[in-house]
Amino acid sequence: AQSVTQLGSHVSVSEGALVLLRCNYSSSVPPYLFWYVQYPNQGLQLLLKYTSAATLVKGINGFEAEFKKSETSFHLTKPSAHMSDAAEYFCAVSGERNEKLTFGTGTRLTIIP
Amino acid sequence: GAVVSQHPSWVICKSGTSVKIECRSLDFQATTMFWYRQFPKQSLMLMATSNEGSKATYEQGVEKDKFLINHASLTLSTLTVTSAHPEDSSFYICSASWDGHGYTFGSGTRLTVV
Repeated sequence: AQSVTQLGSHVSVSEGALVLLRCNYSSSVPPYLFWYVQYPNQGLQLLLKYTSAATLVKGINGFEAEFKKSETSFHLTKPSAHMSDAAEYFCAVSGERNEKLTFGTGTRLTIIP
Repeated sequence: GAVVSQHPSWVICKSGTSVKIECRSLDFQATTMFWYRQFPKQSLMLMATSNEGSKATYEQGVEKDKFLINHASLTLSTLTVTSAHPEDSSFYICSASWDGHGYTFGSGTRLTVV
């Protein structure tokens, strides 16, 4: 079985500051890991995904995440926050390709002007 | 890129009526479709998984007779909320997967039952 834990239901950063959203996973098999962003009343947009290739994954909108097996982590970062980054972020895991995704509880990111 | 079109984006219905939500994969064949439910300020909870031409597999605690899922073709899956009640009000999202390429989400349907 797979699960993810997102530490921090709310994160606030100043515009231009580093964004760090934490995700730890648990999986009985090598995991596929994903980060999604959700704006109000909208579906989920894929930011990036880890599928056992490079451990440092670059995504859209300047986001990236590093898969650290020793720490069972897949934290999401962005060097400089923009106001448009304010949204809900979800980390998700699956054990096999096209298997169901298990989501974390989400982190609401607020950007302070 | 892969696009999933979900309709309607919002719907208001009277208690006791049924509502159908459609998800169409526009430029790919969705071998598997997932249906999620999301309560305000909460995460997505998987309701069921459906493969084209097969009966859906429901998660524990999800009433299969209330939430009817049909996946008759590789490009269309529907979720019908039967005899809807106010507690069924929620945000419903579909997600399609296609071999080796991950998951694409619909834009969601806000259901309000009055």
